[in-house]
Amino acid sequence: NAGVTQTPKFQVLKTGQSMTLQCAQDMNHEYMSWYRQDPGMGLRLIHYSVGAGITDQGEVPNGYNVSRSTTEDFPLRLLSAAPSQTSVYFCASSYGLAGRQYEQYFGPGTRLTVT
Amino acid sequence: QQPVQSPQAVILREGEDAVINCSSSKALYSVHWYRQKHGEAPVFLMILLKGGEQKGHEKISASFNEKKQQSSLYLTASQLSYSGTYFCGTEIRDSSYKLIFGSGTRLLVRP
Repeated sequence: NAGVTQTPKFQVLKTGQSMTLQCAQDMNHEYMSWYRQDPGMGLRLIHYSVGAGITDQGEVPNGYNVSRSTTEDFPLRLLSAAPSQTSVYFCASSYGLAGRQYEQYFGPGTRLTVT
Repeated sequence: QQPVQSPQAVILREGEDAVINCSSSKALYSVHWYRQKHGEAPVFLMILLKGGEQKGHEKISASFNEKKQQSSLYLTASQLSYSGTYFCGTEIRDSSYKLIFGSGTRLLVRP
């Protein structure tokens, strides 16, 4: 099993550009999440999904869109990049039961810089 | 919504013990603990569920006080490999269940 994979590993964008961060898992997990990590701020939840076709907002959803058309994939779209979105982005998946989630498996992260 | 972790940082000598605390203002359904090494992704250590069930690392222990909405992670006889940043994740219910992380506790174990 590859676990949770993320692409790209590094990305530099100019202000106003859009892009999609890819996330895929091969563990048949129901639950998937996107976090951003900034120094001293810990991991902040952007969006999450409890199953295909179902998504919800986390703590810091503004400026990001998600969709979940399959169990395996959960892409994160930056609509119009801003310098404040410079961060490390982690995707995670977990086994879920009745909307609850258990051990989270994290991808290796995408380091995004917006100039 | 973000839980509060304390201390923010701690330095230990190898073999010493440490306690990391996590406190939330919201009702908790479970508490997760993760460790992150520099430049790497967070790795699961333990989950504590309402009702007392626990699953996780054999050499790490933790407690969960449901009424006080608090959890503590106990690191005993620390090893150099314990160095890293520890995060607690608190499962709360909003429109659905979601996991919210604290800002982390940096742990350095020295020889």
